[in-house]
Amino acid sequence: EAQVTQNPRYLITVTGKKLTVTCSQNMNHEYMSWYRQDPGLGLRQIYYSMNVEVTDKGDVPEGYKVSRKEKRNFPLILESPSPNQTSLYFCASSVDRGEKLFFGSGTQLSVL
Amino acid sequence: QQQVKQSPQSLIVQKGGISIINCAYENTAFDYFPWYQQFPGKGPALLIAIRPDVSEKKEGRFTISFNKSAKQFSLHIMDSQPGDSATYFCAARVRWDYKLSFGAGTTVTVRA
Repeated sequence: EAQVTQNPRYLITVTGKKLTVTCSQNMNHEYMSWYRQDPGLGLRQIYYSMNVEVTDKGDVPEGYKVSRKEKRNFPLILESPSPNQTSLYFCASSVDRGEKLFFGSGTQLSVL
Repeated sequence: QQQVKQSPQSLIVQKGGISIINCAYENTAFDYFPWYQQFPGKGPALLIAIRPDVSEKKEGRFTISFNKSAKQFSLHIMDSQPGDSATYFCAARVRWDYKLSFGAGTTVTVRA
């Protein structure tokens, strides 16, 4: 089954404790992206990747890092999480430059 | 700030009625305008999309109307059904760097 898998589904952490949210897709898509969803703000793009070793900033990249060492994986790293990064995070992939995005089920992150 | 402005924030429609959601943009570099549908607890899923060289696109009960000169596009849901109750996001993609910007979302409730 074609899918984008994110882990974990829920995460509660404390300020400053490094964390990684994993994202994997099994569709051989070149384009992958991370979004955060906040009430009243919709989905905001954090980072995206056009292919292996190619990443670029979205609209809200501050406080986040990504890497794309393999085509299928695109982890999101928070080196020093802060409470304002409490949000619902989505990973997505697409075969063609951000068209027809396939989204994961989301990761609800709470930073205390 | 939001590059794509979406309205209304929420709407309630009776079963069989028409739901209309509007989006406006300023950036003339946008070349692809998708709409995503999101059910509670799920990731968004592509509903329908349009390019600026087309003024209207219809898929089943869902229609996008696009007005290039006014920099506006809208989603019409005809014969709305309770199963259409969801949050809808418009989005726009920049032609050269494939950044995708989403609107803030519209929660549609269809009353039986």
